[in-house]
Amino acid sequence: DTEVTQTPKHLVMGMTNKKSLKCEQHMGHRAMYWYKQKAKKPPELMFVYSYEKLSINESVPSRFSPECPNSSLLNLHLHALQPEDSALYLCASSRRLGVKETQYFGPGTRLLVL
Amino acid sequence: SQQGEEDPQALSIQEGENATMNCSYKTSINNLQWYRQNSGRGLVHLILIRSNEREKHSGRLRVTLDTSKKSSSLLITASRAADTASYFCATDSWGKFQFGAGTQVVVTP
Repeated sequence: DTEVTQTPKHLVMGMTNKKSLKCEQHMGHRAMYWYKQKAKKPPELMFVYSYEKLSINESVPSRFSPECPNSSLLNLHLHALQPEDSALYLCASSRRLGVKETQYFGPGTRLLVL
Repeated sequence: SQQGEEDPQALSIQEGENATMNCSYKTSINNLQWYRQNSGRGLVHLILIRSNEREKHSGRLRVTLDTSKKSSSLLITASRAADTASYFCATDSWGKFQFGAGTQVVVTP
């Protein structure tokens, strides 16, 4: 199984809503990542988890709250988002956090904030 | 901030032609990877080249790396309509990925 799955595929939410994005992999990878990608732009790293611990937080606003409940799952909790947060949110995983590691990406969740 | 800069931003070619795109970066890296993204979808890993390698091949793909110039190129030979996608380079500096701006490639039959 070389797949990273993400749910939901699409999400529309209001600025007062609370929602969560989910990511799952069963490759035994111990590093997982959240990226944000705006249209026609490259992915931007948001968070990195290594062995279920937050390793990198790229100064992301607190309205985005990551969680890694176990080695296979990664969540991104959303609260009080702004319209400019509308984007494709990509999850990725790699065997571990380190050099020479390939990241495997999920298909993404397309988020629209109204 | 963006580590990799890619050019061209967009490339339109016909089936059978070769497509070449370049990536330049600013800081030292451990390796450089190329990814492909079909419209609005996740990224697919194409090839990884280590900092001590100069050239690598995978099928119709050829990647070069010049660490003295901090640049890499991706060549797709004998392109097909299915190669239509955005191509991103990603530099790996001790586990931290940064993607280039991407090259949008359109291959027309």
